[in-house]
Amino acid sequence: NAGVTQTPKFQVLKTGQSMTLQCAQDMNHEYMSWYRQDPGMGLRLIHYSVGAGITDQGEVPNGYNVSRSTTEDFPLRLLSAAPSQTSVYFCASSVQGRVGNEQFFGPGTRLTVL
Amino acid sequence: QQQVKQSPQSLIVQKGGISIINCAYENTAFDYFPWYQQFPGKGPALLIAIRPDVSEKKEGRFTISFNKSAKQFSLHIMDSQPGDSATYFCAASDDYNQGGKLIFGQGTELSVKP
Repeated sequence: NAGVTQTPKFQVLKTGQSMTLQCAQDMNHEYMSWYRQDPGMGLRLIHYSVGAGITDQGEVPNGYNVSRSTTEDFPLRLLSAAPSQTSVYFCASSVQGRVGNEQFFGPGTRLTVL
Repeated sequence: QQQVKQSPQSLIVQKGGISIINCAYENTAFDYFPWYQQFPGKGPALLIAIRPDVSEKKEGRFTISFNKSAKQFSLHIMDSQPGDSATYFCAASDDYNQGGKLIFGQGTELSVKP
């Protein structure tokens, strides 16, 4: 199993450009989430999905779109990048474990918006 | 608003010492409290988790203490080792109703000196 994979690893954008961060998982997990990590802020939930065709907003959804057409893939779209979106982005898939919902994180995408 | 507050922001401990990280939450609907460990350049990984029906959970050198009335929980790392040097995040969720929607604390950067 590859687990959760994310591409690209690094990306530099100019203000106003659009792009899609890719996320895929091969564990057949129903739940998938996108987080951004900023210094001193922890990880903040952007969007999440409880299954194919179902998405919902997290804490910081503005400026981001998602869709979930398959169980495996959960891309994150930035329609018009802004410097405030400079961050490290993590995708996670999750499943109910022994205690609760256990999240498995990808390696992250480091995005810089100039 | 920050629903999960974590302290300290950084922590330096001598090898063999005890590392203690504290978290406080506000939402009484939270029913699942995991801790995640993150090494530089990697995604977070689940370390240990607890439900509010128990006051303590121990796995090896890692222990969660939970105080429901005070809405606080903490991570204790006994016999801390240099390999424990990482960033630790507490988190919380209303797992029964919104499994997979984690709210994270701000993170604690732990450094264990040899």
